[in-house]
Amino acid sequence: SQTIHQWPATLVQPVGSPLSLECTVEGTSNPNLYWYRQAAGRGLQLLFYSVGIGQISSEVPQNLSASRPQDRQFILSSKKLLLSDSGFYLCAWMMERNTIYFGEGSWLTVV
Amino acid sequence: GQQLNQSPQSMFIQEGEDVSMNCTSSSIFNTWLWYKQDPGEGPVLLIALYKAGELTSNGRLTAQFGITRKDSFLNISASIPSDVGIYFCAGQGWDTGNQFYFGTGTSLTVIP
Repeated sequence: SQTIHQWPATLVQPVGSPLSLECTVEGTSNPNLYWYRQAAGRGLQLLFYSVGIGQISSEVPQNLSASRPQDRQFILSSKKLLLSDSGFYLCAWMMERNTIYFGEGSWLTVV
Repeated sequence: GQQLNQSPQSMFIQEGEDVSMNCTSSSIFNTWLWYKQDPGEGPVLLIALYKAGELTSNGRLTAQFGITRKDSFLNISASIPSDVGIYFCAGQGWDTGNQFYFGTGTSLTVIP
């Protein structure tokens, strides 16, 4: 069966420090992968999606970047965090029949 | 990015009552998904809909793909305390490509 994992689960980082959140999917190949952010409100904002290795589409220009170095690995990064980057980050992947599944989420607090 | 209009924003109901919520979009969708999110966790898929008019149940939950393809509905019958959480709709269509867009969520509180 397919599983998705992301880490770390919780992160407290100072302003200006770098960020790396990692997501891996097991049990499938060539999945569509997504990074969402959920801020203090409830909405899920699509940040990046990828349809293959090295292919990244950005939805919102901002302080973050994403990379897909391997088929089942998706990384969210920042060189210098801002206070406004705080939030709940969710990795997700899409199954064949247009169904999307989420990881456990990563809480980021920028102080 | 796109956001779907989801209503109501919040609901406070007595245990045993039925719940209804809906999502609307300005775009035609080919897929509607409904999720539940507990605090501090990722959303969990409840029901997936792929065809206009489709009505699908998952236990006490029933969701429908609107015939206009621009809306979807989720009903919960005989609510129980563990139904508490935030419910999200998500849609995908030709205009959205490979992306799903999410509603703003409905926060459900069930009073025992």
